[in-house]
Amino acid sequence: EDKVVQSPLSLVVHEGDTVTLNCSYEVTNFRSLLWYKQEKKAPTFLFMLTSSGIEKKSGRLSSILDKKELFSILNITATQTGDSAIYLCAVEANSGGSNYKLTFGKGTLLTVNP
Amino acid sequence: DTGVSQDPRHKITKRGQNVTFRCDPISEHNRLYWYRQTLGQGPEFLTYFQNEAQLEKSRLLSDRFSAERPKGSFSTLEIQRTEQGDSAMYLCASSLARDAQRVLTNEQFFGPGTRLTVL
Repeated sequence: EDKVVQSPLSLVVHEGDTVTLNCSYEVTNFRSLLWYKQEKKAPTFLFMLTSSGIEKKSGRLSSILDKKELFSILNITATQTGDSAIYLCAVEANSGGSNYKLTFGKGTLLTVNP
Repeated sequence: DTGVSQDPRHKITKRGQNVTFRCDPISEHNRLYWYRQTLGQGPEFLTYFQNEAQLEKSRLLSDRFSAERPKGSFSTLEIQRTEQGDSAMYLCASSLARDAQRVLTNEQFFGPGTRLTVL
């Protein structure tokens, strides 16, 4: 059974701090790893990673994938209170034929205090 | 608004009743997914459709759950004889698969969810 484990499960920091969120996975037929941000509603897409060692960056957020060690990290620099959310890691795997599905981790609850 | 929409946003029902949720995906998206999310957990895959065909169902989906996508556009998820354990957020997502063999991206866009409370 596919498994995605995120750590830490929760984190409290002060504005301006830098945080690193971790995601490790065990899946069969890996295709991609995705990061989502979830505030009070539905998850919103942040990054999709398919290749090892290539950093994806969007503003203060960046992410990288290591397919050999089966993990990814999400970095947020100069955190702001608006970064407070649950950050979800999901792995897309081929479940047969052209069928793909996402397996999510439990998420990391990030709280940024002013 | 051209995103994924879900209706209703909230549903409170008594144990034993049937409920039906609707999801309208982004119009050009051919894949539609249903997930369930409970407090402290990430979304759990339930089922997905490519056009009108239901291609995969999770073992989580008991026989009380049924999903349809009759014309390959909107989808419905019905839960019969609801139980308290069915209380959760039900999320719908859609994506575009360009063809069956070469799925270039499977970025899934999520709707706002339907929060179900079974009393």
